[in-house]
Amino acid sequence: QVQLQESGPGLVKPSETLSLTCTVSGGSISSYYWSWIRQPPGKGLEWIGNIYYSGSTNYNPSLKSRVTISVDTSKNQFSLKLSSVTAADTAVYYCARETPAAGTLHYYYGMDVWGQGTTVTVSS
Amino acid sequence: DIQMTQSPSSLSASVGDRVTITCRASQSISSYLNWYQQKPGNAPKLLIYAASSLQGGVPSRFSGSGSGTDFTLTISSLQPEDFATYYCQQSYSMSWTFGQGTKVEIK
Repeated sequence: QVQLQESGPGLVKPSETLSLTCTVSGGSISSYYWSWIRQPPGKGLEWIGNIYYSGSTNYNPSLKSRVTISVDTSKNQFSLKLSSVTAADTAVYYCARETPAAGTLHYYYGMDVWGQGTTVTVSS
Repeated sequence: DIQMTQSPSSLSASVGDRVTITCRASQSISSYLNWYQQKPGNAPKLLIYAASSLQGGVPSRFSGSGSGTDFTLTISSLQPEDFATYYCQQSYSMSWTFGQGTKVEIK
């Protein structure tokens, strides 16, 4: 079955750029939306943004100015870049697949496959 | 942004209890509502999509209902493995937002 694995540095300095990659195995990256979600220590879930396999993106308005999500279909990977990080960006970062189901207005999307998460700490 | 508000923030219950968690959207989202379960140290797990459709492999004691702005997740008979935090998430407007979570603890 499809599995997702996040990778990237666990420690990033303030003002620098956080970069993570999610590798999709056991299935194709095509025909799905792929999301990044984060969870600060002891807090709830925050959706960062997503990308369709074709490259179209949607971002959380509160993070939009600092976020870039890209996809590399040849490697079955998608990536997250978050610039100008501060301690508030310290979190567990998850990648997830969004699976569509037919809906009345538009497709229903649920995040049905998740990576295990990777902890990123912002500290000097 | 569509704001999602869950209640209660936490609850204590016993094995066998019927548990209900509520999620309210700041505007109508039709039935574009998902529920997730998260256990400590683990990624969230999709339980219900489209407000009431059970994700494959999820026990039938979980059910969802609602439409518009008000939604409910019900666990008909709480099991030991159900002690976790539950989140709702709207999938109506593609700037997805989550509720703040409801922690279900052992009484």
